[in-house]
Amino acid sequence: DGGITQSPKYLFRKEGQNVTLSCEQNLNHDAMYWYRQDPGQGLRLIYYSQIVNDFQKGDIAEGYSVSREKKESFPLTVTSAQKNPTAFYLCASSLQDLGNQPQHFGDGTRLSIL
Amino acid sequence: AQSVSQHNHHVILSEAASLELGCNYSYGGTVNLFWYVQYPGQHLQLLLKYFSGDPLVKGIKGFEAEFIKSKFSFNLRKPSVQWSDTAEYFCASRGGGKLIFGQGTELSVKP
Repeated sequence: DGGITQSPKYLFRKEGQNVTLSCEQNLNHDAMYWYRQDPGQGLRLIYYSQIVNDFQKGDIAEGYSVSREKKESFPLTVTSAQKNPTAFYLCASSLQDLGNQPQHFGDGTRLSIL
Repeated sequence: AQSVSQHNHHVILSEAASLELGCNYSYGGTVNLFWYVQYPGQHLQLLLKYFSGDPLVKGIKGFEAEFIKSKFSFNLRKPSVQWSDTAEYFCASRGGGKLIFGQGTELSVKP
């Protein structure tokens, strides 16, 4: 079955540590996205990538970094500069980064601070 | 800047009650509108979408939504809810920029 796989499901970070969240898709989609979901705030865009080897900042990119070396992979690194990293992180993809293309979501990774 | 507002944070209904979840968006131009649902422990799924044409769109599981341009609204409706509709519902819009999500509405259906 085609879909988006995020791993791990739960992740714990120590203070001052960088952690990387994995996102893989086998839908052959060009565009991929990372969102952060906090209670009562909906989903906020962290980074997105319209095509391999290219990515842009979203609304809350500070303290995060991404790479897009392969079409199917879009890992997100939460750096020690992100002061409030505890959240639920969702990866999504769409065929192209166009307004009429619905996004498909992974199951998410819940990140907590130890 | 674009924004999406969902009026209710938490709605509690009994089975067979009718549902209407409010959604207002701020973009004044051509807009694409979506409702997503997140069932407990599952990933976000697309319920329905509006791009153009008939302003009344039908989605999966008996849901529908009506686009009212003059009111900048895209409310979600279902005539008779079931316990299995318990989930969080997100309205989203995309105008000239990125997809913008509302804050979400948590729906609890009592059996």
